[in-house]
Amino acid sequence: NAGVTQTPKFQVLKTGQSMTLQCAQDMNHEYMSWYRQDPGMGLRLIHYSVGAGITDQGEVPNGYNVSRSTTEDFPLRLLSAAPSQTSVYFCASSYSHDNPSSSGNTIYFGEGSWLTVV
Amino acid sequence: AQRVTQPEKLLSVFKGAPVELKCNYSYSGSPELFWYVQYSRQRLQLLLRHISRESIKGFTADLNKGETSFHLKKPFAQEEDSAMYYCALTGRGSTLGRLYFGRGTQLTVWP
Repeated sequence: NAGVTQTPKFQVLKTGQSMTLQCAQDMNHEYMSWYRQDPGMGLRLIHYSVGAGITDQGEVPNGYNVSRSTTEDFPLRLLSAAPSQTSVYFCASSYSHDNPSSSGNTIYFGEGSWLTVV
Repeated sequence: AQRVTQPEKLLSVFKGAPVELKCNYSYSGSPELFWYVQYSRQRLQLLLRHISRESIKGFTADLNKGETSFHLKKPFAQEEDSAMYYCALTGRGSTLGRLYFGRGTQLTVWP
């Protein structure tokens, strides 16, 4: 019962480097999203997807790209890392609200990815 | 516009004391309210959601639509309750799982 799996757990990048944070879920959830967590700011939505092939921006999308080629995977790409992107990143997934097998709008989170940009 | 406010950034109580973590919200439609807990450097875990009206680890929360509040309460705090608590909101049948978070309250329970 893997749930939501994120990799890597820790990463240090130099300014200007690019990288991809991976997120996979095995619950056949339609909805997936990426949040960043910063002290005193709570969690802020970066990008989200309501199904394969469909993505949209959240509150803080600048500097990040996403794609959703399969239901299971939702990678987050940093195109040119900046120190302001030093944060903890969480991937989340849930059923759509109309799914008859849904246990309500419960959202499941991954373990987080600690990213430092120097 | 949707907004979740947690007015207390830090909250400290002694073991055995009652604790209340405040959460106020604004939302134009029918909201679903949640409390998530995050223990040190771990993933967020769902603690409560208002539609289930459960009591988890001794915590309860009641949705007060008149006051637009969803305060989290526990009558007797324990040391293991020390964690970061987030109140969150989503819309029923509209945003399909998109959560709006408050900024969190760090609870410390002293022995």
